[in-house]
Amino acid sequence: ILNVEQSPQSLHVQEGDSTNFTCSFPSSNFYALHWYRWETAKSPEALFVMTLNGDEKKKGRISATLNTKEGYSYLYIKGSQPEDSATYLCAQPRAGNMLTFGGGTRLMVKP
Amino acid sequence: NAGVTQTPKFQVLKTGQSMTLQCAQDMNHEYMSWYRQDPGMGLRLIHYSVGAGITDQGEVPNGYNVSRSTTEDFPLRLLSAAPSQTSVYFCASSYSRGGTSPLHFGNGTRLTVT
Repeated sequence: ILNVEQSPQSLHVQEGDSTNFTCSFPSSNFYALHWYRWETAKSPEALFVMTLNGDEKKKGRISATLNTKEGYSYLYIKGSQPEDSATYLCAQPRAGNMLTFGGGTRLMVKP
Repeated sequence: NAGVTQTPKFQVLKTGQSMTLQCAQDMNHEYMSWYRQDPGMGLRLIHYSVGAGITDQGEVPNGYNVSRSTTEDFPLRLLSAAPSQTSVYFCASSYSRGGTSPLHFGNGTRLTVT
């Protein structure tokens, strides 16, 4: 993998469903992996910055895991709520300082 | 707390005009950057800076200039606007270089070039 890639591109779930998305990234020269939440008409907000292989982070109903050896991170949302509807972005610093983003996963939670 | 402040929020330019998008942060952040957001393209890095007096090119630097004369300010200049530069621009800063600190984003500038 040469770039940061996210899947799926979009996801529709019902309120109460748990869901997860994937971020794939180049595993060589790993520095960190970022997750952001981006609501429509707002600016992206940081969820997690992960730096260690096997790292797990949690913020309320949202959690993330990291596998730097195989180059992927999962973001999990437990019991999705309509307010979780947003685009979720992951990003990786390249050459130390160039933080490059994946295309995002757009989550829509139906009440 | 002001955080990252971008001005203007909206701007319409004619092809060939020049303008400067302003970005200021009051968090004493070392790292500042500019992104553009286009439909289907995600956020793409234009230029970044790891400190006053130091700037470098990102993924899509052509047509844009930046400078970092102070820690607080990181303006983005369009010297001769083109329709391809129609986009939403975000300024972002973080505490340290190296990508291990989260980015704080401004509210964005929506630019239309006709």
